Amino acid sequence: EDQVTQSPEALRLQEGESSSLNCSYTVSGLRGLFWYRQDPGKGPEFLFTLYSAGEEKEKERLKATLTKKESFLHITAPKPEDSATYLCAVQAVEDSNYQLIWGAGTKLIIKP
Amino acid sequence: GAVVSQHPSRVICKSGTSVKIECRSLDFQATTMFWYRQFPKQSLMLMATSNEGSKATYEQGVEKDKFLINHASLTLSTLTVTSAHPEDSSFYICSAPGDRRLNNYGYTFGSGTRLTVV
Repeated sequence: EDQVTQSPEALRLQEGESSSLNCSYTVSGLRGLFWYRQDPGKGPEFLFTLYSAGEEKEKERLKATLTKKESFLHITAPKPEDSATYLCAVQAVEDSNYQLIWGAGTKLIIKP
Repeated sequence: GAVVSQHPSRVICKSGTSVKIECRSLDFQATTMFWYRQFPKQSLMLMATSNEGSKATYEQGVEKDKFLINHASLTLSTLTVTSAHPEDSSFYICSAPGDRRLNNYGYTFGSGTRLTVV
């Protein structure tokens, strides 16, 4: 069964304290892995798409990496405005409807 | 980039009434729209997939007579919660996939609708 597991459920960091969020996945064939940011009461905001193992993408203080079993979202020197829930999702090759399989998210809190 | 406009952002309705939520793709054609429900502190739960010009596909356990989905045009998909009850209170979000012909495998989400049934 295709599955996505994110850890930790919640992460509290001091401003400037770098860390990583994990997204482990099980899928028969990966078409793509997606990272989204969601603020309370808002829809998810697209961050990255990764397609193959070894791929890395960066955006400001965020960097996403991908292996055959998991993805990491590294956050460097975070600021309070980086506080949000970060969602990971995968899309399977055999899914002709392009549906996403979602993780439960990691709630990130950055304290000033 | 692609934008999906979702309205209303918040709605409070009385138990037994119906509520319609609209999602419009503003600068692209969305032949498919995904409708999600999200409970507090939980991730997105796919409810149904709507396709322009055909019947929606509902996920297991989702009542299609209660959650009516219409995808009448390439830019508009609607979700109507019929005979709403307090347990239908939730955050509803729509999402449209990118144009696969352009190798755009991303998704654009609406801003969500907070439904409260009293």
